[in-house]
Amino acid sequence: GQQVQQSPASLVLQEGENAELQCNFSTSLNSMQWFYQRPGGSLVSLFYNPSGTKHSGRLTSTTVIKERRSSLHISSSQTTDSGTYLCALERGGNKLTFGIGTRVLVRP
Amino acid sequence: GPKVLQIPSHQIIDMGQMVTLNCDPVSNHLYFYWYKQILGQQMEFLVNFYNGKVMEKSKLFKDQFSVERPDGSYFTLKIQPTALEDSAVYFCASSHGTGDSGNTLYFGEGSRLIVV
Repeated sequence: GQQVQQSPASLVLQEGENAELQCNFSTSLNSMQWFYQRPGGSLVSLFYNPSGTKHSGRLTSTTVIKERRSSLHISSSQTTDSGTYLCALERGGNKLTFGIGTRVLVRP
Repeated sequence: GPKVLQIPSHQIIDMGQMVTLNCDPVSNHLYFYWYKQILGQQMEFLVNFYNGKVMEKSKLFKDQFSVERPDGSYFTLKIQPTALEDSAVYFCASSHGTGDSGNTLYFGEGSRLIVV
């Protein structure tokens, strides 16, 4: 089965709303990385987060290894946050296994 | 932030022809990767490369695929011959590879390959 499962599959927000994206993994890992994939396809690294909580602007990532989950919180969403959010687990050798992503649409 | 450049951004090629995708990784990075994403599907690992050698490759990295980085220039992915199922976006990535955040991968914008 899939090693990395993301939920929800898609999300529609009104600008200003908060959102929580989940990533669950079925295997042990060395680290977890979150990416933002623009509608055109390019990837932006958001967080390298093997454990604990990290903040970057309006984004917060929390990884709990023993529960095999990681979350990405978006606060005060903006229309420019629209796109796909990918989580990826790294088990060794910097080889990433990606989830299918959560598509986020923020309406003005 | 650090930039990985990929050339070409798009290419349409006849089945059976050869294609070379070029990647200019972040300047002080030591580890290089190729990933493949078919439209609507998840990103999948193809290969990683360090110190002039392939370290690991997935089952998607067919015999028709090869990678190299001659003399520290572009890191290339060559497909010869191409097949229809090779149509996808190919993403190059690099990492410094040491330390905590040194394992962070930085991705290029992708090369969209269409095999007809």
